[in-house]
Amino acid sequence: DGGITQSPKYLFRKEGQNVTLSCEQNLNHDAMYWYRQDPGQGLRLIYYSQIVNDFQKGDIAEGYSVSREKKESFPLTVTSAQKNPTAFYLCASKASPTGYQPQHFGDGTRLSIL
Amino acid sequence: QKEVEQDPGPLSVPEGAIVSLNCTYSNSAFQYFMWYRQYSRKGPELLMYTYSSGNKEDGRFTAQVDKSSKYISLFIRDSQPSDSATYLCAMRGNQAGTALIFGKGTTLSVSS
Repeated sequence: DGGITQSPKYLFRKEGQNVTLSCEQNLNHDAMYWYRQDPGQGLRLIYYSQIVNDFQKGDIAEGYSVSREKKESFPLTVTSAQKNPTAFYLCASKASPTGYQPQHFGDGTRLSIL
Repeated sequence: QKEVEQDPGPLSVPEGAIVSLNCTYSNSAFQYFMWYRQYSRKGPELLMYTYSSGNKEDGRFTAQVDKSSKYISLFIRDSQPSDSATYLCAMRGNQAGTALIFGKGTTLSVSS
């Protein structure tokens, strides 16, 4: 089955620690996105990538980093600089960055502070 | 004024009711409108996708766009307990590559 796989489902971070969230898609989509979802806040864009080896900051990129070394993979690192990392993180993809297709989402990773 | 406004609810209805979910927006450049359904602890799944004004129907779901009023709606007929979820509206402009803007979501509970 084609889709977007996020792992782990739950993740705990200690103070001062960097953690990496995995996002893998087998849809052959060019564009990939990371969102953060907080209660009552809706989805906010962290980073997005339109093509391999290229990515852009979204609205709330501070304290996060990404890489896009392979088309199917777009990992997100939550660094120790992100002081309020507790949230539900969602990865999405779209067939073409310039096309009008909608985005499709994975099932998320819930990150909490220990 | 926020770009997209969505009543957070919660909205509680009995099984079989007709549900109306709504979003208003301020940016007249928005042309593509989506509704996503999100179950607890899951990612959003695409329900409806429409372009510009008009109606689109898919089974028990109807999406309406009124660009003159900057208002979009999702109607659910014969609502079922399995429809209990958070519904997110999302929209974007006509220029390819522009970001998707989400509403905050409306939580719906359908009781049997």
